[in-house]
Amino acid sequence: EVQLVESGGGLVQPGGSLRLSCAASGFPFSSYWMHWVRQAPGKGLVWVSRINSDGSSTSYADSVKGRFTISRDNAKNTLYLQMNSLRAEDTAVYYCARWSHSSGYYYLDYWGQGTLVTVSS
Amino acid sequence: DIQMTQSPSSLSASVGDRVTITCRASQSISSYLSWFQQKPGKPPKLLIYAASTLQSGVPSRFSGSGSGTDFTLTISSLQPEDFATYYCQQSYSTVTFGPGTKVDIK
Repeated sequence: EVQLVESGGGLVQPGGSLRLSCAASGFPFSSYWMHWVRQAPGKGLVWVSRINSDGSSTSYADSVKGRFTISRDNAKNTLYLQMNSLRAEDTAVYYCARWSHSSGYYYLDYWGQGTLVTVSS
Repeated sequence: DIQMTQSPSSLSASVGDRVTITCRASQSISSYLSWFQQKPGKPPKLLIYAASTLQSGVPSRFSGSGSGTDFTLTISSLQPEDFATYYCQQSYSTVTFGPGTKVDIK
């Protein structure tokens, strides 16, 4: 069974840092690209970042570029999101999701339950 | 960047109703379009990918159509468990989600 379990969320002051983790199991983690998606309270889904299967290529939303860093440890089957210089507008539930493909089409087929990050003084 | 819009933003419907949600991309995305269902406090659930391919385990009352810039999600006969928010998402160029359509009980 595919499982994605996020951790590391919590309350942090503006300007602070947090590192989120996403522990993967039930599939060959090192073969899949992975994404982070966030959702502010009562709002819609917003893509944050993605990383390719070996970690050599990353991409970020403009809103987090230069502040967030996505990485992975394939030996530990774990995805990370290092978040620095946090702002109030970064307050959200953060989801990790698996990027699958079939017949040339790509989609986010499995999601974790999410971890809440609250940026407030 | 590719922008996604959805209409309506919300709708009220009854069990058994046929429901259609529209999604539009700001430029052609071929068929690189997915649909998700999300219930409060839960992660999104993939319903459809490649615009019209039903994800394994998703009931056949859900269907998707369209290509290029205009897409639709149809629920042929709304069931009680279908009351939720629905999002479209393009994967032609990175990832962008639509703003969502909330389906609630009339």
